[in-house]
Parts: sequence; structure tokens; C-alpha cells
Amino acid sequence: GQSLEQPSEVTAVEGAIVQINCTYQTSGFYGLSWYQQHDGGAPTFLSYNALDGLEETGRFSSFLSRSDSYGYLLLQELQMKDSASYFCALPSAGGRRALTFGSGTRLQVQP
Amino acid sequence: ETGVTQTPRHLVMGMTNKKSLKCEQHLGHNAMYWYKQSAKKPLELMFVYSLEERVENNSVPSRFSPECPNSSHLFLHLHTLQPEDSALYLCASSQGTRNTGELFFGEGSRLTVL
Repeated sequence: GQSLEQPSEVTAVEGAIVQINCTYQTSGFYGLSWYQQHDGGAPTFLSYNALDGLEETGRFSSFLSRSDSYGYLLLQELQMKDSASYFCALPSAGGRRALTFGSGTRLQVQP
Repeated sequence: ETGVTQTPRHLVMGMTNKKSLKCEQHLGHNAMYWYKQSAKKPLELMFVYSLEERVENNSVPSRFSPECPNSSHLFLHLHTLQPEDSALYLCASSQGTRNTGELFFGEGSRLTVL
């Protein structure tokens, strides 16, 4: 089977940097995705890492280490609007086009 | 606006009712999905429809019945539900034959079963 673990909650202040970690277990690895979901909103895609290393997209970066079965999402220059839940996800074993999600990390940005 | 539209946004039903959730994607994608999101639990994949296959999560009860009449529309038919089925039901779509980790989600249908 597949499983992903991430912290349930993280709190940070405006302007700071926060890292949300994700460790996973899977029999076959294809990539690690990250999604953001605001309360009452749709999950929206942030990034996808298929290879080791850091991928940067504006204030958000995502890192992957396949040997450690580990990844993280790095959010810089935090803004109040970044308060949301963040999910890591793996392509599902049973249907590769679908995703298996972690339980999500709720980020609270304080002034 | 994500390009994936779900209706209704909110639904309250009794355990003996029959209702349907509708999803429409305007992105030209060739795969659609139903996910269930309950409080403090991961999103659970319920069904996948693509050109190649229909994939089901074997743990989904038969009181949930999917229908995919074409590549743009997806339904979830509900009957004799239980209170524990109360959740946010999310529809998603994707394009391509290989997984790039990117799904496009609708805003969900919030279901309450009394």
C-alpha cells in the first residue's frame, strides 16, 4: 500500500519562512505533488517533483529526496493569504493517474 | 474558477432519499475522479474514469454509484446513505496518459446525511 505522513498543524508569522515536511511509503515511486486548499475551496496544484532536488516557483519551493522517501514544501515571505491546508500526494498504486493524499498540514499565518 | 464545476454545492438528505451529484469539466481533459474529504482524514479516492479504464476503490459501498456518460460529465448517484457519509465530495479531472501529479479539482459538494 501507500502512506504519507505530514504534520497536522504549523504556525508561523507574516514574512517568515515555513517548511512543511512529508514522508511517504510506496512500492513504486513516480513523483510527489503538493496541493493547497483554503477553507471552503478546491484543492489547487502547487508543484510536482519527479527527481531529487529543489523546484522553485515564486515564493513556494518543493524539495524531494527519493533515497529518504522525503519531501518538503517551503513557503517564503509568508502572507496572511497563505493560511490554508497543504497536502502532499503520490500517484496511486492501483490507478496511476489518480493520487493518494496525505492528511494535510494546516498552516496558520499570524500577523 | 478552476474549470471544474460541481452541483449542488450543498445537499442535505435523509437516509432514504436518492440524489445525485454532478460534475462538469470545461478543460478538455480525458479523465475524471471522485474523491471524498472527511474532517481530519486524507482525501479518499472513490472512482476514476478515463479513456482506458474505470477504477474503483473496493472499499466504497454500493450505495455510491458513479456514472460517466462522456469525458466532460461525471455523476455520483446516492441512495440509502448513512450519517457517516456526510462529507465534502470533490470531483477532479486530468489530461494525458501519464501521471504528472496534477489534478484539477472542483469546489466540492458538501453533503449532510440526517
